[in-house]
Amino acid sequence: AQKITQTQPGMFVQEKEAVTLDCTYDTSDQSYGLFWYKQPSSGEMIFLIYQGSYDEQNATEGRYSLNFQKARKSANLVISASQLGDSAMYFCAMARHNAGNNRKLIWGLGTSLAVNP
Amino acid sequence: EAGVAQSPRYKIIEKRQSVAFWCNPISGHATLYWYQQILGQGPKLLIQFQNNGVVDDSQLPKDRFSAERLKGVDSTLKIQPAKLEDSAVYLCASSPGDGHRGVYSNQPQHFGDGTRLSIL
Repeated sequence: AQKITQTQPGMFVQEKEAVTLDCTYDTSDQSYGLFWYKQPSSGEMIFLIYQGSYDEQNATEGRYSLNFQKARKSANLVISASQLGDSAMYFCAMARHNAGNNRKLIWGLGTSLAVNP
Repeated sequence: EAGVAQSPRYKIIEKRQSVAFWCNPISGHATLYWYQQILGQGPKLLIQFQNNGVVDDSQLPKDRFSAERLKGVDSTLKIQPAKLEDSAVYLCASSPGDGHRGVYSNQPQHFGDGTRLSIL
């Protein structure tokens, strides 16, 4: 069965410091994609970063980077130089690349990040 | 590029009443999704459209929920009659899609601001 696990319900970080949000996944597929989304208290879901299972390099997007360890089935999000505006829920999600009609994104329960001034 | 538009932003109704949500995806996006997100949980896919055809509605409570996407662009999601457990944020998302590739390419889903529904 496909599953995403985010073990940190809540995290705190000091402004300007780096923080790592954990995500582990379970799949028997060889080809899949991993996404991170940010959801502020206002409710919108904002795409942050994508990692494909066959990508040789870890994905980076500005202050966001993805620490992808395929053998350990982990795809942790690293936010460098945290800002107050980074306070939000963060969701890890997985897409199956060769799933026929079963194309649902599989979502974790999320991690709530609070950035302290 | 304009984002995914949703309305209304907030809705409060009494149980057993009906409610409708509207979504306009990013121009040119073939795939449209409706999600239900209950407080403290990740989004749950209700229905996925590819153009104006339904790809997946396996988790849509069809006795009370309905959705349509006429002409492959705008979409509406309706609940009739509403129950207390339908209180949630309803999110619409779209992705470019490409024939059968849909969500399982490297294309992220782009979300609207959501509709926060409260049932009294």
